[in-house]
Formats: sequence, structure tokens, C-alpha cells
Amino acid sequence: GDSVTQMEGPVTLSEEAFLTINCTYTATGYPSLFWYVQYPGEGLQLLLKATKADDKGSNKGFEATYRKETTSFHLEKGSVQVSDSAVYFCAFHSGGGADGLTFGKGTHLIIQP
Amino acid sequence: EAGVAQSPRYKIIEKRQSVAFWCNPISGHATLYWYQQILGQGPKLLIQFQNNGVVDDSQLPKDRFSAERLKGVDSTLKIQPAKLEDSAVYLCASTRGGSYNEQFFGPGTRLTVL
Repeated sequence: GDSVTQMEGPVTLSEEAFLTINCTYTATGYPSLFWYVQYPGEGLQLLLKATKADDKGSNKGFEATYRKETTSFHLEKGSVQVSDSAVYFCAFHSGGGADGLTFGKGTHLIIQP
Repeated sequence: EAGVAQSPRYKIIEKRQSVAFWCNPISGHATLYWYQQILGQGPKLLIQFQNNGVVDDSQLPKDRFSAERLKGVDSTLKIQPAKLEDSAVYLCASTRGGSYNEQFFGPGTRLTVL
């Protein structure tokens, strides 16, 4: 069935380090891909998205490229800040009328000053 | 623009009791979703409405969970009777519709079943 696998956390990095959070998916059809973020004490919010192969989503210095051949959508940032500490969720939907999201388990990112 | 509103924010009940959650989506958003997020996991879709019709309820445990969106605006999700494993955060999300549109999430209702 449909599923998302993302790297287990917590991931602890120092400020200004390079970040990669891996995400792979198993989906029927041709999904749209998303990264959502949940900051401490706040609700889920969309970070970035990509809707077709080779698209690159970007926002707030984060990037992810839709790789259809490897069914992956890895999240990257060149230099993380303490304020990036949050839980990051990879998700997709297969489109059409039923477009509820399938989420991964989330990766807790901790950035130390 | 006001965000997705949910109430209550927290609820504690005993097993076998009933509970209801309320959601008011962003004005003009035709599509509404309920998700269940168990601690340590990602949200899982329970039900999707388009206006007041159900689009997808394939993962809704229909023996105990029910949901309605009678006038195509706000929605209620009910659990009757609750079990210990229903302890979770229940999230409501809405979107204007169309597969590429962003889903906006509410703050959630944290349910604890004792």
C-alpha cells in the first residue's frame, strides 16, 4: 500500500551545518510530494511541494527535488539555524478527487548553537 | 484570513465514553479533512469531505467513528465508544480544492482516553 519512509530522529546538528533528511515513498499513480513542518507549540504548516518529476520545491532556504526514478524527495538545507528546530514530515497524495495526504512518521530536528 | 479553528483543544475521557470534536475551516474552503495523529507517528487520514459529501472514508473505523459536514462548512467528528488506542491528536485541515492546493491545518484536539 501507499507509504512514506523517512529517516528516524532525532537528528542533532550544530548551527550552520548542512542538513539532509531522507524521504522515499511508495505510491500508486503519479503523486504530488510535500514537506510539512511543525514548530514547537504550533500546528502543521506546508514547507514546500513538488508536483511532477524533476521539480524542485524550495522555501526558507530548504530544497527538495522530486526524483521519480528513485521515488525520493529528500529535504536539504545548506546552513541550518537554531530556529529550524522542529519536526519535519514528508507526505504525498496521489491526486484526483481523493487527495488526502499520506505522511511519514516525522523527523525531529534539533539544532544546537 | 482566519485559520482553521478546532475545539476543544484538549479532552480527557474514560474508555467507553463518547466524545465529539468540532472544526470550522477557512472561509471558502470546499474540502475538509480529518486526520488522526498518534504520538510518534505522522497524521493518518480518517475522512475527506468535498462540500457536504464524503470523498474518502476508507480509513475511518466506522464501527465507532462518525463524521458529518451538514451545511458544507463546519464539521464534527464523533467517537462512540472510545477505546484506549483512540488517544491521539485529531487534526482538521481544509483547502479550496484541487489537488495542488495547500492543505491548511488547525491546531488539533488532543484526546486522552483513560
